[in-house]
Amino acid sequence: GNSVTQMEGPVTLSEEAFLTINCTYTATGYPSLFWYVQYPGEGLQLLLKATKADDKGSNKGFEATYRKETTSFHLEKGSVQVSDSAVYFCAQSSNYKLTFGKGTLLTVNP
Amino acid sequence: DSGVTQTPKHLITATGQRVTLRCSPRSGDLSVYWYQQSLDQGLQFLIQYYNGEERAKGNILERFSAQQFPDLHSELNLSSLELGDSALYFCASSASSDSSYNEQFFGPGTRLTVL
Repeated sequence: GNSVTQMEGPVTLSEEAFLTINCTYTATGYPSLFWYVQYPGEGLQLLLKATKADDKGSNKGFEATYRKETTSFHLEKGSVQVSDSAVYFCAQSSNYKLTFGKGTLLTVNP
Repeated sequence: DSGVTQTPKHLITATGQRVTLRCSPRSGDLSVYWYQQSLDQGLQFLIQYYNGEERAKGNILERFSAQQFPDLHSELNLSSLELGDSALYFCASSASSDSSYNEQFFGPGTRLTVL
């Protein structure tokens, strides 16, 4: 079945460091791919998405590119801030539902 | 604020009991989704309704059921509760039934604790 695998956390970085959170997926066909973010005590918010191969989603300095050849959708940010501390979920959409990875906790220290 | 509301925020109950979680989608959204988030299972899709009809089913136990009413709010009923049902339950809504293109907006969740 469809699944999403993302790197285990937690990830701890200093402010202004470069961030990469790896995400790979298995699917029949070509799903849409998403990154959601969950801040402490809140629900999930869509961070960015890509609906077809080679699409790049971007928002708030975060980027991810839909790579069909490697079935990946890695999240990157060039310079993280303390306010980026949250749990990040990679997800794919197919058959009317979202399938999420287990989440990666990111902590950014000043 | 996503526009999706969930009540109650917290719920503490005993094993064997039955509870009802309520969700009001964003204005104009026809689809409602329910998810369970737990430490061991992560975020699991339970069920989706679109304009009152069940559209997709995920890892939902037979002890759980849901419905969407004519005013589009939805309820998730959990019965014969077990300790392992303790989790955060999220509701999400979207404009259409196809989550491939339409963003899902998540509510703040209901934290269920079964003692």
